[in-house]
Amino acid sequence: ILNVEQSPQSLHVQEGDSTNFTCSFPSSNFYALHWYRWETAKSPEALFVMTLNGDEKKKGRISATLNTKEGYSYLYIKGSQPEDSATYLCAPYSGTYKYIFGTGTRLKVLA
Amino acid sequence: KAGVTQTPRYLIKTRGQQVTLSCSPISGHRSVSWYQQTPGQGLQFLFEYFSETQRNKGNFPGRFSGRQFSNSRSEMNVSTLELGDSALYLCASSLARAHYGYTFGSGTRLTVV
Repeated sequence: ILNVEQSPQSLHVQEGDSTNFTCSFPSSNFYALHWYRWETAKSPEALFVMTLNGDEKKKGRISATLNTKEGYSYLYIKGSQPEDSATYLCAPYSGTYKYIFGTGTRLKVLA
Repeated sequence: KAGVTQTPRYLIKTRGQQVTLSCSPISGHRSVSWYQQTPGQGLQFLFEYFSETQRNKGNFPGRFSGRQFSNSRSEMNVSTLELGDSALYLCASSLARAHYGYTFGSGTRLTVV
């Protein structure tokens, strides 16, 4: 897996809005995909591990879906709160002992 | 349980010097990976170690090296520092099979002047 793209690069939403971002990756040699949340001055924190086509994961107001055949994953945040402000990273894994990280989507939730 | 510990947190070095960064993984995690983040760039993979063996290496010059000890602690060394090496260096540990995902340390912020 060489090229991971995340869109949009940055996003400003109002508190209470729902939002979603995309992670695109080559569909060949897919093994797993991880989503991380990285808040300023903190360490990246794992959100989801996804492995199967059609996987849907949910954690509170955040959910993610995975399409391995077409090479994309969506992350959704319902009713965004200021504490959701962070950079969201996706990282597909192809079984070569390394993850390729996207450059992330920087989310800012305005109160 | 203790998280991933990286030392030092901040470091200022002069061009041409060398530096060693340390990472202590979560107890029981045998895989340690290193990443570099520079402004505008995503996390760039440096290398991954498991049981003292390097299993994969990213596209970095030979000035970047690492090692892992029998207790799974890892060190990363950068020799002949260049201004472009200024970055946040993150260490991440995982269980034996890396697809379980990472637990990251807080990082070492290296500034080369």
